[in-house]
Amino acid sequence: DTAVSQTPKYLVTQMGNDKSIKCEQNLGHDTMYWYKQDSKKFLKIMFSYNNKELIINETVPNRFSPKSPDKAHLNLHINSLELGDSAVYFCASSQDRRSLRGAVRYNEQFFGPGTRLTVL
Amino acid sequence: DAKTTQPPSMDCAEGRAANLPCNHSTISGNEYVYWYRQIHSQGPQYIIHGLKNNETNEMASLIITEDRKSSTLILPHATLRDTAVYYCIVRERYGGSQGNLIFGKGTKLSVKP
Repeated sequence: DTAVSQTPKYLVTQMGNDKSIKCEQNLGHDTMYWYKQDSKKFLKIMFSYNNKELIINETVPNRFSPKSPDKAHLNLHINSLELGDSAVYFCASSQDRRSLRGAVRYNEQFFGPGTRLTVL
Repeated sequence: DAKTTQPPSMDCAEGRAANLPCNHSTISGNEYVYWYRQIHSQGPQYIIHGLKNNETNEMASLIITEDRKSSTLILPHATLRDTAVYYCIVRERYGGSQGNLIFGKGTKLSVKP
């Protein structure tokens, strides 16, 4: 009954390759996120998606692109991988409530187990 | 940048209460205090949040000072499984696009037998 799952758990690849990390949540949440945790253990948000709309896009390279086939999935595609992309990537989800005026009530986020990406 | 300051590490004896402090002197009126923790090699886990009143749930208690410039997370009876990095985060709960969780360095809590 995993709430937020990610695949693969480990990913080792060569520089220049293109790879994807998958994320699925079975909580019925409407917002999903991707975070990156680097070697110094800093955890930084990369993207969030709400109802298939990108609503946060921190200054990450455009080689990274989130893709959401449906509300339960937010996959992370990375093109032309670089050494500096090596990190642990976490997916998260939350049930945020949006009013008709666009105001948002943010709720707690539930995180997946992480994907350790190693670029050689 | 994180708007909170936490001690980098703390120790606690198993079975005793763990009190983790957090300073957030620039917190604004519509920002809540959230606590998450990250056990080694796992994703962060939500613990508790509050605005100005003290809060308690099955995991922990959150004590927020009257001026809201600091708070303390209390684990009443720490176990070895509570060893983790604890993050204190201030975050708007209502807003347009400022609901990001901005993680700082956190406090590494080591519970010792």
